[in-house]
Amino acid sequence: DAGVTQSPTHLIKTRGQQVTLRCSPKSGHDTVSWYQQALGQGPQFIFQYYEEEERQRGNFPDRFSGHQFPNYSSELNVNALLLGDSALYLCASSGGVNQPQHFGDGTRLSIL
Amino acid sequence: QKEVEQDPGPLSVPEGAIVSLNCTYSNSAFQYFMWYRQYSRKGPELLMYTYSSGNKEDGRFTAQVDKSSKYISLFIRDSQPSDSATYLCAMGANQGGKLIFGQGTELSVKP
Repeated sequence: DAGVTQSPTHLIKTRGQQVTLRCSPKSGHDTVSWYQQALGQGPQFIFQYYEEEERQRGNFPDRFSGHQFPNYSSELNVNALLLGDSALYLCASSGGVNQPQHFGDGTRLSIL
Repeated sequence: QKEVEQDPGPLSVPEGAIVSLNCTYSNSAFQYFMWYRQYSRKGPELLMYTYSSGNKEDGRFTAQVDKSSKYISLFIRDSQPSDSATYLCAMGANQGGKLIFGQGTELSVKP
């Protein structure tokens, strides 16, 4: 039973570019959340998708956007990349609002 | 003031020691409390979760929640070198929604 899978594992971009990160949830899960984890910090909630709609959003600018597909997989898009966007981006999935979230191993994004 | 405060450590203990990890929080709306373990270059792995106040035990791990003091703890008995990792507390109004994480405590268990 595959867990949460994310791609790519590493990515290097330059300032001003755009990036798309991908996530496949754990089998049987329909809710996907995205988190940003800076070095030495805990993850910070970006947003959550359920039934292909953004259900909740954290304190992140509009440069961060997402999408959920009918098969529950999800994408995170970040436009106009800044140096401060360098971080580990984590995807978590759950089977419902009161079910625990399980995380993937993340995509490490470096901005030069 | 951060919603969740966690001592970042690092914490170094000898093998076999009892480890106590703690977090405090300020938001009374939090009902679910979780502990995740994160190894280097890996994603957080769910260790335990608790609803509301009380204790929960799973093998060598015990989670405690004191909502009146807004304080949660994770105890690790008979610690092993394989327990060396960063431990993250997380909490939210529900498990599947927005989670607020502590900074993480880096634990090293020496053989």
